[in-house]
Amino acid sequence: QKEVEQNSGPLSVPEGAIASLNCTYSDRGSQSFFWYRQYSGKSPELIMSIYSNGDKEDGRFTAQLNKASQYVSLLIRDSQPSDSATYLCAVNTHNQGGKLIFGQGTELSVKP
Amino acid sequence: DTGVSQDPRHKITKRGQNVTFRCDPISEHNRLYWYRQTLGQGPEFLTYFQNEAQLEKSRLLSDRFSAERPKGSFSTLEIQRTEQGDSAMYLCASSADPQGYYGYTFGSGTRLTVV
Repeated sequence: QKEVEQNSGPLSVPEGAIASLNCTYSDRGSQSFFWYRQYSGKSPELIMSIYSNGDKEDGRFTAQLNKASQYVSLLIRDSQPSDSATYLCAVNTHNQGGKLIFGQGTELSVKP
Repeated sequence: DTGVSQDPRHKITKRGQNVTFRCDPISEHNRLYWYRQTLGQGPEFLTYFQNEAQLEKSRLLSDRFSAERPKGSFSTLEIQRTEQGDSAMYLCASSADPQGYYGYTFGSGTRLTVV
């Protein structure tokens, strides 16, 4: 089992819809959770972080964390074509020297 | 603060040649990480430094790879006798937080193509 797994893409949604991206992790000691956005040919950009169970909202983005189920998700409301990118889930287990473990990424395509 | 800087942005090299990449972290950041990303995959951890000390190396970092961070400032990643399988994006990230609690900032990456 991979340490961090994301649902395979590509995920295609129409403009204005809600995009839902999912991630599971294997280490129950994980304490920090992140979503990075990566445009084609560019480096990852941190867009959301979440540390406790529940929802965290930032504009059109909502991160959700359920530690009991070892599950993290990212919802993008009112999806725009500019949201088309690969979304990477990353997890920090603090006894691993602060390094982040990444999932394989989910490619999102928002169709006009 | 100009962010994490990586050089070069692109490198094309022939198989068997040596290449060296440079990373300049955000100035107050003590932690520096190197990752490798191949097409369709997430970044994979290679190694990290706390100031000038290299604290962990991944199994991915074969003996052809070496990284340094002299004086705890910029870092270099060298690949000797490159192979086609080394073709990837090499990403550097830095953090002021030794626990990585707040995540970290990546540089723009160096894309290596081995022909």
